[in-house]
Amino acid sequence: DTGVSQDPRHKITKRGQNVTFRCDPISEHNRLYWYRQTLGQGPEFLTYFQNEAQLEKSRLLSDRFSAERPKGSFSTLEIQRTEQGDSAMYLCASTKIATNEKLFFGSGTQLSVL
Amino acid sequence: KQEVTQIPAALSVPEGENLVLNCSFTDSAIYNLQWFRQDPGKGLTSLLLIQSSQREQTSGRLNASLDKSSGRSTLYIAASQPGDSATYLCAVRTGSARQLTFGSGTQLTVLP
Repeated sequence: DTGVSQDPRHKITKRGQNVTFRCDPISEHNRLYWYRQTLGQGPEFLTYFQNEAQLEKSRLLSDRFSAERPKGSFSTLEIQRTEQGDSAMYLCASTKIATNEKLFFGSGTQLSVL
Repeated sequence: KQEVTQIPAALSVPEGENLVLNCSFTDSAIYNLQWFRQDPGKGLTSLLLIQSSQREQTSGRLNASLDKSSGRSTLYIAASQPGDSATYLCAVRTGSARQLTFGSGTQLTVLP
């Protein structure tokens, strides 16, 4: 069990560029979540996958955002035409389908849009 | 829509003190409630998870309680240490929804 891994840890981009983040969940975990956190706030839900199926998306996830989880393993989150308001920490979490579903979070990707 | 509030936003205590962090939520139809710890620039670490049918959970120096009817949870930290300095976040899973709704956290500083 190596924990949830996110890459990159930091990303600086110019407004209008596209960025992609990767999340590798704990190997036997079949649910994967993306959250976004801005300074001084708690994380906000973006989307979640059960295996390879994307089952829910938040209204926060505009059409510039897309997430995939091919083969139910790692996941990617892409932001197209980035805006300064996209600057935030993007957190990935995974869990196993179970009664309590304790979430395990990665260290996050800090995005800065200049 | 579920809303989670944490008070105070920041707290500073001397080492060795016992302390209580508060969390309140507006919709009592929760499935479970979790307390997380977050160190600066890092992800979240789950501390305790309380199911809706439970009243409290304990892990070492930490004790979390849940009162669904009043929409409140507390995290009690005994004999605080400088290493406990972090932001503590409360999150609830409501009804059949899969996602968690988080509070804004309490930033705790334990002074040596």
